[in-house]
Amino acid sequence: DGGITQSPKYLFRKEGQNVTLSCEQNLNHDAMYWYRQDPGQGLRLIYYSQIVNDFQKGDIAEGYSVSREKKESFPLTVTSAQKNPTAFYLCASSPQGLNTEAFFGQGTRLTVV
Amino acid sequence: KQEVTQIPAALSVPEGENLVLNCSFTDSAIYNLQWFRQDPGKGLTSLLLIQSSQREQTSGRLNASLDKSSGRSTLYIAASQPGDSATYLCAVNVIKAAGNKLTFGGGTRVLVKP
Repeated sequence: DGGITQSPKYLFRKEGQNVTLSCEQNLNHDAMYWYRQDPGQGLRLIYYSQIVNDFQKGDIAEGYSVSREKKESFPLTVTSAQKNPTAFYLCASSPQGLNTEAFFGQGTRLTVV
Repeated sequence: KQEVTQIPAALSVPEGENLVLNCSFTDSAIYNLQWFRQDPGKGLTSLLLIQSSQREQTSGRLNASLDKSSGRSTLYIAASQPGDSATYLCAVNVIKAAGNKLTFGGGTRVLVKP
């Protein structure tokens, strides 16, 4: 089946640790995105990539890093510099160009313990 | 800066009633607007995408309208069912961006009572 796979579904991080969230898609989409969702709020853009080996900061990039070495994969690292990392993280992809639908993964819930 | 607002934040209706969900945005320079559904603890499912040149888009019991000049979109769900209970999010794709740099509203949480 075609789609976007995020793993793990739940992740626990200790203070001061870096953790990496996985996002893989087999939709042959050029563009990929990471959003963060806090309880009762909409989604906010962290990073996005429109092509392999290129990515751009979104609205809340501080404390996060990404890489885009393969078209299918766009991992997100939550670093120790992110002061409030507990949230629901959603990965999305879309074909390149305008007026194209975005498709989302099932999310990873990160909790700091 | 584009801001997207969804009112009300929560809505409860009896089964069979039509649902009307509102979305407003501050900057009319958008490429498109998408409506999503989100079940608790899950990702987003795309419902409808309306291009900036369109006035409405329909899929089954769902109909979404777009009025760019007034910065509004409305999602209508006809003959609601308990399975329609979820949070509905709207998002706009701003004209200065490429791809899908979406700006989201806070969502409307819908409960359809049997």
